[in-house]
Amino acid sequence: EDKVVQSPLSLVVHEGDTVTLNCSYEVTNFRSLLWYKQEKKAPTFLFMLTSSGIEKKSGRLSSILDKKELFSILNITATQTGDSAIYLCAVENTGNQFYFGTGTSLTVIP
Amino acid sequence: KAGVTQTPRYLIKTRGQQVTLSCSPISGHRSVSWYQQTPGQGLQFLFEYFSETQRNKGNFPGRFSGRQFSNSRSEMNVSTLELGDSALYLCASSFSPLGSGELFFGEGSRLTVL
Repeated sequence: EDKVVQSPLSLVVHEGDTVTLNCSYEVTNFRSLLWYKQEKKAPTFLFMLTSSGIEKKSGRLSSILDKKELFSILNITATQTGDSAIYLCAVENTGNQFYFGTGTSLTVIP
Repeated sequence: KAGVTQTPRYLIKTRGQQVTLSCSPISGHRSVSWYQQTPGQGLQFLFEYFSETQRNKGNFPGRFSGRQFSNSRSEMNVSTLELGDSALYLCASSFSPLGSGELFFGEGSRLTVL
């Protein structure tokens, strides 16, 4: 059964901390892995990863994929209260089907 | 540029009723996909439409159906509602078929089944 597992389920940190969110997957015919940030409203796109070992970076956020070990991490450095959200990991297969993890709920305390 | 618009935003139904949800994609986007989000199961893929054709369907019963119109707007229908259908239903659009680019999500339709 294809599945995506995210850990931890929830996380509480203080402003300025660095966090690492994990996403492991078992999806046949992998095409890409995507990270989304969901605050109160719609999930918003962060990164799409297709190749192993190539880090994608956007400001304080970065992500990398390991296709051999079947996982990805999302790093957030110097966290801010505005980073508080649910972070979703999704894996797409070559059949254009998306599998989402249940998300990691991040709370950043001032 | 307007984002993905979903209506209604909130609705309450009773068991056995049916519901139709609407999704208007970003102008120019031809792919619309639907997802069910619940606290326990997370986001689960329902189906995807591209150019009025259903290209993929997730593991949901036949009570869940959808369609896409020539203007790319999509509707999703759930018949014979069950308590477990209470969820946030999200739709997402993209210019190309799934797999070719990022998804743009709407704010969702929150369905409560009593």
